[in-house]
Amino acid sequence: AQSVTQPDIHITVSEGASLELRCNYSYGATPYLFWYVQSPGQGLQLLLKYFSGDTLVQGIKGFEAEFKRSQSSFNLRKPSVHWSDAAEYFCAVGAGTGRRALTFGSGTRLQVQP
Amino acid sequence: GAGVSQSPSNKVTEKGKDVELRCDPISGHTALYWYRQSLGQGLEFLIYFQGNSAPDKSGLPSDRFSAERTGGSVSTLTIQRTQQEDSAVYLCASSLVVLLGVGTEAFFGQGTRLTVV
Repeated sequence: AQSVTQPDIHITVSEGASLELRCNYSYGATPYLFWYVQSPGQGLQLLLKYFSGDTLVQGIKGFEAEFKRSQSSFNLRKPSVHWSDAAEYFCAVGAGTGRRALTFGSGTRLQVQP
Repeated sequence: GAGVSQSPSNKVTEKGKDVELRCDPISGHTALYWYRQSLGQGLEFLIYFQGNSAPDKSGLPSDRFSAERTGGSVSTLTIQRTQQEDSAVYLCASSLVVLLGVGTEAFFGQGTRLTVV
């Protein structure tokens, strides 16, 4: 069965600083990988996804993520954080067989300091 | 509809009562998913539907939880004899086809916040 680990529960960065949120997955085959963002009181919004091809994927709001098979990682990055990026970020993995639903990490809460 | 709609947005119920949570998926989406998000926790998979059938119910935490989907559209999650540990946000998502394939993604509703007192 697939699993996802987000090692950082809470991260604080200054506005304008760069950001990297870590995500490690466990799955026997090529995974489908996603990053979602949840703002306070809101549902989950898809930031980006990886299915195949180029391992560096671009998403909305200036985010990108890089799939590294050798490290079983799919870290989310943004070069310059804005105050509006403060939210909770979830990494998720899906499989093409078995459970046909996403498995989520426990999330990383991002706080942005002015 | 334009997005996944869940109702009610908030529900407070007394311990031992039954509750029904409703999810209206995006029109034309054949797959529907229920997740539970407890305070400070990630998303816990409950069940998914492909059309009206539920191939995977393994995430339902107990037999007090059940779900159905009719007409390949609206789904209802029912919790019987609610307990305080059932307090959480229940999220519904839908996708065009069952996950996963290139081009599919799950769209989430804003959730129902259930509080059992």
